[in-house]
Amino acid sequence: EPEVTQTPSHQVTQMGQEVILRCVPISNHLYFYWYRQILGQKVEFLVSFYNNEISEKSEIFDDQFSVERPDGSNFTLKIRSTKLEDSAMYFCASRTENTGELFFGEGSRLTVL
Amino acid sequence: SQQGEEDPQALSIQEGENATMNCSYKTSINNLQWYRQNSGRGLVHLILIRSNEREKHSGRLRVTLDTSKKSSSLLITASRAADTASYFCATDPNSGGYQKVTFGTGTKLQVIP
Repeated sequence: EPEVTQTPSHQVTQMGQEVILRCVPISNHLYFYWYRQILGQKVEFLVSFYNNEISEKSEIFDDQFSVERPDGSNFTLKIRSTKLEDSAMYFCASRTENTGELFFGEGSRLTVL
Repeated sequence: SQQGEEDPQALSIQEGENATMNCSYKTSINNLQWYRQNSGRGLVHLILIRSNEREKHSGRLRVTLDTSKKSSSLLITASRAADTASYFCATDPNSGGYQKVTFGTGTKLQVIP
């Protein structure tokens, strides 16, 4: 069964370093998302992406964050200068239609020291 | 306050009992979805109910939707220890344009064998 894959599963970084989290959405999906979940808390929307551009972003998604779909299969989230409060699980999701079921990856755990 | 809020925040039941989780939301929706998350894992879609539907079943799951009260409930019948997980409702708005799915705060369900 097709699935969303994310790498790395866990990354530890120093504050101020750049981090890139990678996602391979399901191949025929057109809508892509990043969410984050601070340990034990709710799942927060970061950004949605369609037709090679950001369609919506939350207030969390500030200038330190960017997304890219560089090669038609990967979908990346970059954090330019990590802060302690960026420590969280980051989930990538995709879906075929503008409404409907989201398919999630297993997440990338980011720990900022 | 949150778009989706579940109650209770935590629920502990014996195996074989039914578990009911409630979700309230604030804005108009296209559909409402329920997801499950095992500890430290990604979210898995359980069921989607559209705004013009009142009830939907899938196996041991029964979802209701009351758009006049902006609320939904998820019932898991004959619970099993393997149902232990966090359950989130998620709203797909009816705002036109690009849709973002917004997650609630979640209910942590423990099923005791």
